[in-house]
Amino acid sequence: DQQVKQNSPSLSVQEGRISILNCDYTNSMFDYFLWYKKYPAEGPTFLISISSIKDKNEDGRFTVFLNKSAKHLSLHIVPSQPGDSAVYFCAASRTSGTYKYIFGTGTRLKVLA
Amino acid sequence: DAGITQSPRHKVTETGTPVTLRCHQTENHRYMYWYRQDPGHGLRLIHYSYGVKDTDKGEVSDGYSVSRSKTEDFLLTLESATSSQTSVYFCAISDQRGPPHPGANVLTFGAGSRLTVL
Repeated sequence: DQQVKQNSPSLSVQEGRISILNCDYTNSMFDYFLWYKKYPAEGPTFLISISSIKDKNEDGRFTVFLNKSAKHLSLHIVPSQPGDSAVYFCAASRTSGTYKYIFGTGTRLKVLA
Repeated sequence: DAGITQSPRHKVTETGTPVTLRCHQTENHRYMYWYRQDPGHGLRLIHYSYGVKDTDKGEVSDGYSVSRSKTEDFLLTLESATSSQTSVYFCAISDQRGPPHPGANVLTFGAGSRLTVL
């Protein structure tokens, strides 16, 4: 049973436009969410996070939105750049207990120049 | 990579042989994790540790064991490797302190270990 889902395996966007990556979760106990970016042959790198007490967090070109009632989060990248082309993973965790991070299956973003 | 090293980076082995992957950190972080990455499955948690000698199972722990005898080292062992364990394995560390806030309580990953079981 997959607790964190990314239903779009891939996404193509023109340079300068907005990229929207989506993530759904099923476990209502998750209260902390993160996005990671991964380039080929490298480890994932942290991008941005959001706590369940917020519904939005912004960091430069990256904004994460959280809709707790829908158990849905999204990552917006504006404007998209060719260097953003990578695989993006969302992850969810509980902030009590033993801090297991559960990841989605990833979305491959291609930004076209 | 924030003081996290995985070894070996590449390994080819045969079915039925034991394999141990090592994760070494210099950050003194309490939490350490092993994930595997496979096409169509993303990153799946194998085992994790929340302190020396304290470990627990993740989503896909069958066929794997772990040990953590020192804060800095977390070993992943495949007692008898199978072809289904061909994968890229990532170690991650985390220093959980205080309530979460943006940028805190994040996982830092190593560069990965590519294992091929023939």
